Amino acid sequence: LAKTTQPISMDSYEGQEVNITCSHNNIATNDYITWYQQFPSQGPRFIIQGYKTKVTNEVASLFIPADRKSSTLSLPRVSLSDTAVYYCLVGGTSGTYKYIFGTGTRLKVLA
Amino acid sequence: DTAVSQTPKYLVTQMGNDKSIKCEQNLGHDTMYWYKQDSKKFLKIMFSYNNKELIINETVPNRFSPKSPDKAHLNLHINSLELGDSAVYFCASRTGGLVETEAFFGQGTRLTVV
Repeated sequence: LAKTTQPISMDSYEGQEVNITCSHNNIATNDYITWYQQFPSQGPRFIIQGYKTKVTNEVASLFIPADRKSSTLSLPRVSLSDTAVYYCLVGGTSGTYKYIFGTGTRLKVLA
Repeated sequence: DTAVSQTPKYLVTQMGNDKSIKCEQNLGHDTMYWYKQDSKKFLKIMFSYNNKELIINETVPNRFSPKSPDKAHLNLHINSLELGDSAVYFCASRTGGLVETEAFFGQGTRLTVV
């Protein structure tokens, strides 16, 4: 799986939009980009996934440029409850048994 | 109804003991994983099973022996526990192989070796 690089930590204030960027220079043609959120004392949970351009769901948006060497998770108007660690994963379709998480980004939302 | 459930949630034991952690998923997934999250919060894959068969063993010591009696269960047995085994262990499942699908995680088992 392509290695990913994310900022170790970020701080934000309630009501702001937060953008977390993940670099994956070695992404392969078949690779998808997936983001997970982990609260303290809980397992990670899926947020969003995309292949190219832009994906939006009720929780977040995912922006992927044409070269797909990076991706940006956008959280609109964060609240204190969005304080968590956010992980970016890059993986392909077939044979994705090696589901590897990167170091993640610790987002702290301040009042 | 919990999708991926692990037991126990907390486990405190002495060095040298043998312990097991159980994991069950009711999602019909064919691939299950064990991850270890240490004090630095790195989430490291340990094992990956597909249809009860071991696919990935990420250079985990032989003291760790996963067992999958069926597709819905992946248990982790640890022999001769060491202080460094203290961590949170997460079980996960997904539909592996053909399509890129999301993983579902259990709530974790916090293992403390004293």
